[in-house]
Amino acid sequence: ELKVEQNPLFLSMQEGKNYTIYCNYSTTSDRLYWYRQDPGKSLESLFVLLSNGAVKQEGRLMASLDTKARLSTLHITAAVHDLSATYFCAVVDGSGNTGKLIFGQGTTLQVKP
Amino acid sequence: DTGVSQNPRHKITKRGQNVTFRCDPISEHNRLYWYRQTLGQGPEFLTYFQNEAQLEKSRLLSDRFSAERPKGSFSTLEIQRTEQGDSAMYLCASTIGLVQGPSGANVLTFGAGSRLTVL
Repeated sequence: ELKVEQNPLFLSMQEGKNYTIYCNYSTTSDRLYWYRQDPGKSLESLFVLLSNGAVKQEGRLMASLDTKARLSTLHITAAVHDLSATYFCAVVDGSGNTGKLIFGQGTTLQVKP
Repeated sequence: DTGVSQNPRHKITKRGQNVTFRCDPISEHNRLYWYRQTLGQGPEFLTYFQNEAQLEKSRLLSDRFSAERPKGSFSTLEIQRTEQGDSAMYLCASTIGLVQGPSGANVLTFGAGSRLTVL
């Protein structure tokens, strides 16, 4: 059974600092997604990583994928308050060809001025 | 393209009552998913449709839960004899289906969710 684990689960950081969120998954998968969720809102797609070594960047966020280690990272550069949200990684469950996603527990990021 | 629409956005009900949620996916999307999210957790898969066919149900889904997608467009999720443990956000997501090749991102687009509170 595919399991996805994120750490840390909660992250409080100062504006301007850098930090990394880690996402580990237990079985082989060919696609990994990062989503953002603001309080009371739905999930917004940030990145899709399709192959080993893939790196995607958008503004102060950069995501990477190492399929051999079954690890993805979401790196935050020079954090700003607007990045405060909960970030989820999700992995495609390859069994059954349904395209369903298995989500991690989420990392709640709080950026303080 | 108006996105994935869910209603009602909030539902408060008494234990034992039945509730139904509706999801209208993006019009050209043939795949539709229902997820449940409780406070502080990631979304948990419930069930999946390709067009009108329900192709997978989570083992976590009790017999009190039923979902339909009668014409391959909108979907409904019904919970019968609600229990307090059913209180959660119910999320619907849709996608156009598996696309092969480098562009095969198959991103799920989520609706805003329907929040259920069972008293």
